Amino acid sequence: AQKVTQAQTEISVVEKEDVTLDCVYETRDTTYYLFWYKQPPSGELVFLIRRNSFDEQNEISGRYSWNFQKSTSSFNFTITASQVVDSAVYFCALSRANDYKLSFGAGTTVTVRA
Amino acid sequence: DGGITQSPKYLFRKEGQNVTLSCEQNLNHDAMYWYRQDPGQGLRLIYYSQIVNDFQKGDIAEGYSVSREKKESFPLTVTSAQKNPTAFYLCASSIFGAEDQPQHFGDGTRLSIL
Repeated sequence: AQKVTQAQTEISVVEKEDVTLDCVYETRDTTYYLFWYKQPPSGELVFLIRRNSFDEQNEISGRYSWNFQKSTSSFNFTITASQVVDSAVYFCALSRANDYKLSFGAGTTVTVRA
Repeated sequence: DGGITQSPKYLFRKEGQNVTLSCEQNLNHDAMYWYRQDPGQGLRLIYYSQIVNDFQKGDIAEGYSVSREKKESFPLTVTSAQKNPTAFYLCASSIFGAEDQPQHFGDGTRLSIL
């Protein structure tokens, strides 16, 4: 069985602070895919990044960066110099090879205060 | 613009009533999905369909039904058998045979009991 755990329920920061969201996953598969989605107050989920289990290269994209570590089964996400527009619920998700179902974590609500 | 359209945005159900949520996509995606979102629980898969005229139950299919008569459309019916239908419902689509590709989501329908 697959499981995704986002231990942080809510994070509140002041604008320009950095925010790191934790994601820990469980799977017995050797091939799997990890995703981060953002859900702003409007409700739709917006895809942010995908990683496959063979690609542990970490990435920086603008103010966003991701840290994927297979050894600890973690796929953490950092927002640098947060802005009010970053306020949203962030979901980590996992899918396995040959299976189109996504297993979602419970989400982390990020509130950025001006 | 390509995307997923869900309607209505808000829906109210009377006891014993069936209601149908609409989901239409113009992304030419083969696979479509329905998720239910409850506070603090992330998203849970209700039904999914990989091709027209075929669909499979997800993790919480009881009390729901779907049809897939057209590639573009995947309506969800919440039946009277679903005793706790109050939730936020999200429809998604993705490329068939590409489990490493992200799912694209609609804006959601919020269902409440009158």
